[in-house]
Amino acid sequence: EAGVVQSPRYKIIEKKQPVAFWCNPISGHNTLYWYRQNLGQGPELLIRYENEEAVDDSQLPKDRFSAERLKGVDSTLKIQPAELGDSAVYLCASSLDRRVYEQYFGPGTRLTVT
Amino acid sequence: SQQGEEDPQALSIQEGENATMNCSYKTSINNLQWYRQNSGRGLVHLILIRSNEREKHSGRLRVTLDTSKKSSSLLITASRAADTASYFCATGAETSGSRLTFGEGTQLTVNP
Repeated sequence: EAGVVQSPRYKIIEKKQPVAFWCNPISGHNTLYWYRQNLGQGPELLIRYENEEAVDDSQLPKDRFSAERLKGVDSTLKIQPAELGDSAVYLCASSLDRRVYEQYFGPGTRLTVT
Repeated sequence: SQQGEEDPQALSIQEGENATMNCSYKTSINNLQWYRQNSGRGLVHLILIRSNEREKHSGRLRVTLDTSKKSSSLLITASRAADTASYFCATGAETSGSRLTFGEGTQLTVNP
């Protein structure tokens, strides 16, 4: 069974530029999560989807971050414009549905903003 | 915001020894999970314990949960060099068990 796929694995951009991350969850997993992980810290939830609906986006900085999961499968997280403080690892995770609490994580995208 | 606080922040042991990591949290929970993260990789789910459980085992892992003290511990027995990683506890919100809040992690180093 394929795991959670994320691309790109690494991204270096200059501040004020836009950037997008892509995630394909495990087949059949209805719930999808985006996390941000700063160096030396645990992941922090940005947004959670149940199918194509964003059910928890309270931690998403909506002035510059946006996300979509149009067909309830893969998802894109965008930052525009990027700031120096956005440098972090962006992790995508999925779970079977909201009643199954174990999450499966992708390898992450390491973003460096210069 | 980080709900869990893990202790110690770093732990270095010899192969074959046991490793114990602790996690404390602040609010009522539905479940508590432990994840492992190898350097530069994603997180891997290890074990889940529900709020009405006190102890759970999985292979060399033993997790305890004390909801009165809002704390949990993860014991890895007979550690191996391959256990070297960061270990995170994550609490599932009482109203939505799939909404996880992670601690800052314990960096475990197992020396061969």
